[in-house]
Order: sequence, then C-alpha cells, then structure tokens
Amino acid sequence: DVKVTQSSRYLVKRTGEKVFLECVQDMDHENMFWYRQDPGLGLRLIYFSYDVKMKEKGDIPEGYSVSREKKERFSLILESASTNQTSMYLCASRQHWGQPQHFGDGTRLSIL
Amino acid sequence: KQEVTQIPAALSVPEGENLVLNCSFTDSAIYNLQWFRQDPGKGLTSLLLIQSSQREQTSGRLNASLDKSSGRSTLYIAASQPGDSATYLCAVQHPPDGSARQLTFGSGTQLTVLP
Repeated sequence: DVKVTQSSRYLVKRTGEKVFLECVQDMDHENMFWYRQDPGLGLRLIYFSYDVKMKEKGDIPEGYSVSREKKERFSLILESASTNQTSMYLCASRQHWGQPQHFGDGTRLSIL
Repeated sequence: KQEVTQIPAALSVPEGENLVLNCSFTDSAIYNLQWFRQDPGKGLTSLLLIQSSQREQTSGRLNASLDKSSGRSTLYIAASQPGDSATYLCAVQHPPDGSARQLTFGSGTQLTVLP
C-alpha cells in the first residue's frame, strides 16, 4: 500500500512565523501535491511538483512556497504565517499523470 | 472552467440500504474520474478510479459508473454499514493539454448510515 506521511497532525503557530509542513511518500512517486481544505471551499491546490526540484503553482500559491530536494519529500513553507492560513493541509502523491492520487492524513494548522 | 457538483450535500440512511451518490461535471472532456472517502479530521482515501473509456469499476460493495457524454458519475454502495459513514468526494482529471492539468474536486456528500 502507498504510504503518504505528514509530519504533524496538529500544529499551532503564531502570526509572522515561518512554518514548515513536511510530507514523505514511500512509493517512489514522481508527482506530489499540496492542498488546503476549508469548509465551504473544498480542496484547493496550492502547489505541485512533477519531479525533483520541479514545482508549479496551483490555484492559490500566494503566501506559500515549496521545496522538493528529494523525490520522496515535498515541503510546504508558509513564509510569514497569517491567520487566514489556518486550515487543514493535505499532501498527496501519485506515480505519474493519470494515476490515482494518494493522500496523507492531513495537518490541521492553527495560526494565532 | 470545469465545475464538479455533488448532490445531495448530506444523506442519512438506515443500515442495510443500498444507496447511490451522485457526481456531475460540466466539461465532458475528462481523462478519468476518481472517488474518494474522507473520515472526519483525516485525509482522503482513494476508492475507485474510472478511465474515460470505461463505464464502471467495482471494488467489493462499491460500484462506480461513468457516463462521460452526460457528465455524470455515480457511486453505488450496497448493503450500507455504519462504518461507511464518511464524506465521499469525486474528482475529475483532464487530459494533458495544459489547460487544466490537475484534479477538480466536488464538495462532497456527507453520508451517515444509522445502526
């Protein structure tokens, strides 16, 4: 089975902090994704990566950056956290385009 | 722009019933459609993926159908159990033409199966 692991289930940070969310997959998948999920807005794509060191903006990249130095790890960075970034963050991976996406358990992030 | 709709937003049924969840999409030029399950406070679990050339896919008590021309998919759950209670989401994948390369998700149907 595919395993996508997010480093934290719950995280509380303060406004202005730099926040790192980590995601690791164990199936040598090429593509990785970061989403946020908010009530009434559904899942929205923040960034995705087709391969190591490659990244592309999704629908809502403002205020975020990403890093993919190794194939198995995809990091989401909140450069200067703000309260409107309080949300559930979901990481996903897939072998390549057209294949099923597999998700981690999510990180519920609260910015105070 | 592709829009994916799931109606109803919530559904409550007694245990043992067979039920159908609906997913509709506005642009029929899809590559595949994926059904997910999400338990409260958790991530998404992939249930079934139907390619655009397929009519249906089955896994255990689940059967997903796809009618691309009418922009519809259904997820049929047979003999529902309380453990099936969750939110079910569908998502469509477009062909790799660069215009909409990633998944577009519906907002989900929250299913409650009563004991």
